[in-house]
Amino acid sequence: QVQLQESGPGLVKPSETLSLTCNVSGASMTSSYWSWIRKPPGKGLEWIGYLFHTGRTDYNPSLRSRLTMSVDTSKNQVSLKLNSVTAADTAVYYCARYRDYAESYFGMDVWGQGTTVTVSS
Amino acid sequence: IVMTQSPLYLPVTPGEPASISCRSSHSLLHTNENNYLDWYLQKPGQSPQLLISLGSNRASGVPDRFSGSGSGTDFTLKISRVEAEDVGVYYCMQALHTPLAFGPGTKVEIK
Repeated sequence: QVQLQESGPGLVKPSETLSLTCNVSGASMTSSYWSWIRKPPGKGLEWIGYLFHTGRTDYNPSLRSRLTMSVDTSKNQVSLKLNSVTAADTAVYYCARYRDYAESYFGMDVWGQGTTVTVSS
Repeated sequence: IVMTQSPLYLPVTPGEPASISCRSSHSLLHTNENNYLDWYLQKPGQSPQLLISLGSNRASGVPDRFSGSGSGTDFTLKISRVEAEDVGVYYCMQALHTPLAFGPGTKVEIK
């Protein structure tokens, strides 16, 4: 059974860097894209970006200048860093397995439970 | 690509059908003849879950009362007979081009 577990600091000060990790179990890190999505309070879902085990990334242009994603296949872990955060970055952050292959597509079929991040001094 | 949904709020009666519309600002039809449109449901207090991919393919474990249809720019999610457990916010998402984009969500509640 594939499981994803996000973890992070919970509270981040404005202008600092938000760092999150997603631990993956029950699935090969090399078989899928790994995506990050967030949901600000009272708003809808926003795609942040995704990465492949090769290190290939694709980011939302609205966040690209502040965003870094990485993967550590030896730890079965994907990471997200978002710098210069503001209150607008307050959200529940989810990681999800995203299966988009050349010959088939299955969408974001497994999600973590999410981790809440509040940006406040 | 901008996604819109209607209605944004849908009160439903258990046992009755329900329908949500999703519209894309650009065609989601790929040259491989698949429409890259997904439907997700976020139940209260839970993470989003995949219901439908490629416009009409039900995800594993999704009840057959859920069905997706449409092509190009116009898509519909139908629930043949609503059950109490179907409450939550339904999102469509285009996956043809990055940035991937979700619709604003349709909140479904029991009347």
